[in-house]
Amino acid sequence: QAGLTQPPSVSRGLRQTATLTCTGNSNNVGNEGAAWLQQHQGRPPKLLSYRSNNRPSGISERFSASRSGNTASLTITGLQPEDEADYLCSAWDSSISAWVFGGGTKLTVL
Amino acid sequence: EVQLVESGGGLVQPGGSLRLACVASGFTFSTYEMVWVRQAPGKGLDWLSYISSGGGNIYYADSVKGRFTISRDNAKNSLYLQMNSLRAEDTALYYCARDSSAYGEPGFDYWGQGTLVTVSS
Repeated sequence: QAGLTQPPSVSRGLRQTATLTCTGNSNNVGNEGAAWLQQHQGRPPKLLSYRSNNRPSGISERFSASRSGNTASLTITGLQPEDEADYLCSAWDSSISAWVFGGGTKLTVL
Repeated sequence: EVQLVESGGGLVQPGGSLRLACVASGFTFSTYEMVWVRQAPGKGLDWLSYISSGGGNIYYADSVKGRFTISRDNAKNSLYLQMNSLRAEDTALYYCARDSSAYGEPGFDYWGQGTLVTVSS
C-alpha cells in the first residue's frame, strides 16, 4: 500500500518554528485528515494530534496541526532540545480500507 | 492509567508461526478499536491490521493478508495477532495501539512498548 510522503529531515534552531508536511491524496489525507505522532529513539510512538487536528490531553500547545487539500502540516513553535525526534503522519485510506503512514521526518534542533 | 502490554515475540524460523498478545488495562477495552503496527529496525511504522470494538470488522495490510489473523477477547481485555508463514522481512518490533475513532477523535492514542519478532534460520 502506498504511503504518505514526508521530507526525510528538517533542521531548525533552538526556539525557532518548524513546519513539517505530510502529503497524501484525496482518498486519505484529503478525505479524513492525518494524525501526527512523535517518536524518540528507542521509544514507542506518541500521539501529538488526532486527525481532527485536536491535541490529546497533555500535549503542549506548541504543537499544532492543520490541513490544506491533500497535505497535512504539523507546526512546532519555540523548538526545544527535547523536540528532536522522528515525526510521522498517519491517515485512513478509504480506497484501500487501510491505514497508511508517512516515512517520517527526522527533526534536528540546532 | 492506560496500559498496553505486548508479549509473544521471539526468534522463529522462516515459515514458522507466532502468536502475539496485547493485554489492555486502565480503560474499557471492549469499546475501543485496536490495531497492530510494526517497525522494522531503523525503519518507519507499518500498519498491519485493525479490529473493531466488537470484532466484527477487520482489515489487513496487503503485506500480511492471508498470513496474519487479528482477534480479540473482550472478556480478557486482550488483543491477538496470529502470524503464520513468517518471512525474514517480518522481522520487526510489533506494537499494539488503541484507536480512539469511536470516541470522535480518530488516532492511535496509546501504544504498548512493543514485542520483538525475529525471523531467521
